[in-house]
Amino acid sequence: NAGVTQTPKFRVLKTGQSMTLLCAQDMNHEYMYWYRQDPGMGLRLIHYSVGEGTTAKGEVPDGYNVSRLKKQNFLLGLESAAPSQTSVYFCASSYNAEKMDTQYFGPGTRLTVL
Amino acid sequence: LAKTTQPISMDSYEGQEVNITCSHNNIATNDYITWYQQFPSQGPRFIIQGYKTKVTNEVASLFIPADRKSSTLSLPRVSLSDTAVYYCLVGDQGNTPLVFGKGTRLSVIA
Repeated sequence: NAGVTQTPKFRVLKTGQSMTLLCAQDMNHEYMYWYRQDPGMGLRLIHYSVGEGTTAKGEVPDGYNVSRLKKQNFLLGLESAAPSQTSVYFCASSYNAEKMDTQYFGPGTRLTVL
Repeated sequence: LAKTTQPISMDSYEGQEVNITCSHNNIATNDYITWYQQFPSQGPRFIIQGYKTKVTNEVASLFIPADRKSSTLSLPRVSLSDTAVYYCLVGDQGNTPLVFGKGTRLSVIA
């Protein structure tokens, strides 16, 4: 099993450009999450999904959109990138959310917006 | 969601036992306590989880007093490779995902 993978690993954008980050998991997990982590900070939840075809907002959803068309994939989109979105983005998945089920994290995507 | 408070940073020498305490005064009956570890440039990974008393695995021990208003992560005989950020999370998750705070940055010194 590859676990949770993220594509790409690094990306540099100019202000106003758009891009999509892909997260894939091969563990048949129901729940998937997108977090961002700024230098010296903890993780902040952007959006999450409790199952295929569903999405919900987290702490910091503004400027991002997500889609979960397939159970194994969770896409994070930036329609018009801003320098404030420079961050490391982590995707995670869990089998379900009952009783604090363990979240498995991907390796992260380092995004720089100029 | 129960709010957690933990020290921002800790230093320790190699070979020592390290205890990181997390306060969660408004923990609810259904809430579990979970700790994650994050190495630089990596995503967090699960260390241990408990509900009450003591839980031990191959990596750490988790001590939870009877009132459950705090918990202590214990790392026995730390090594340089234990240098990481440790996050304490409290909740039952359900349909509301957990909140990661800033965590405790542990630096292990030779």
